[in-house]
Amino acid sequence: ETGVTQTPRHLVMGMTNKKSLKCEQHLGHNAMYWYKQSAKKPLELMFVYSLEERVENNSVPSRFSPECPNSSHLFLHLHTLQPEDSALYLCASSQGRGALGNTIYFGEGSWLTVV
Amino acid sequence: AQTVTQSQPEMSVQEAETVTLSCTYDTSESDYYLFWYKQPPSRQMILVIRQEAYKQQNATENRFSVNFQKAAKSFSLKISDSQLGDAAMYFCAYSPYNTDKLIFGTGTRLQVFP
Repeated sequence: ETGVTQTPRHLVMGMTNKKSLKCEQHLGHNAMYWYKQSAKKPLELMFVYSLEERVENNSVPSRFSPECPNSSHLFLHLHTLQPEDSALYLCASSQGRGALGNTIYFGEGSWLTVV
Repeated sequence: AQTVTQSQPEMSVQEAETVTLSCTYDTSESDYYLFWYKQPPSRQMILVIRQEAYKQQNATENRFSVNFQKAAKSFSLKISDSQLGDAAMYFCAYSPYNTDKLIFGTGTRLQVFP
């Protein structure tokens, strides 16, 4: 079992649907992240949670709504998405807040296709 | 703006040979961290090696080593004795000290031929 697990691995949704991506980390970390990976573009940091508190939101559209109920779980709620939101969404966690030299561990990602 | 540039979209190497992946970055900070991540077809990003900017000594991890040139803002990754399992996308990443930011390059796809 990997340290950071994401479900579902693949998701196809219509533009009017509401769905959620789930992330769970089994490493005892207290910081969690959502990244977006699009083709031929650098990974983009979307959200950072530290001790269940959102500490950074990199100007992400409101159609993406994160939720961190505890330090082990992170959700990304999706609604009224656009086709350009199709991408690989990566969850990650680290021991301390930020890279600070702390290794960030990634999940395997959730492939999202918006039709 | 802080940016990371990987100028080689694709590289290839023969098994057991050595390959070097290039990375340059732009920053006005003096304290920061640099990373190389590997993303195999499974898509899970795995940390390969990291370097603290205040350390002059180049980091090494088994067959992986870096050539860190702070003045030139260059951070290349050398893979020695390449193995088929090294085939993956490799991402260079930069993190300013005491922040949550991890800024990635666009990646280099490495192919390893038997």
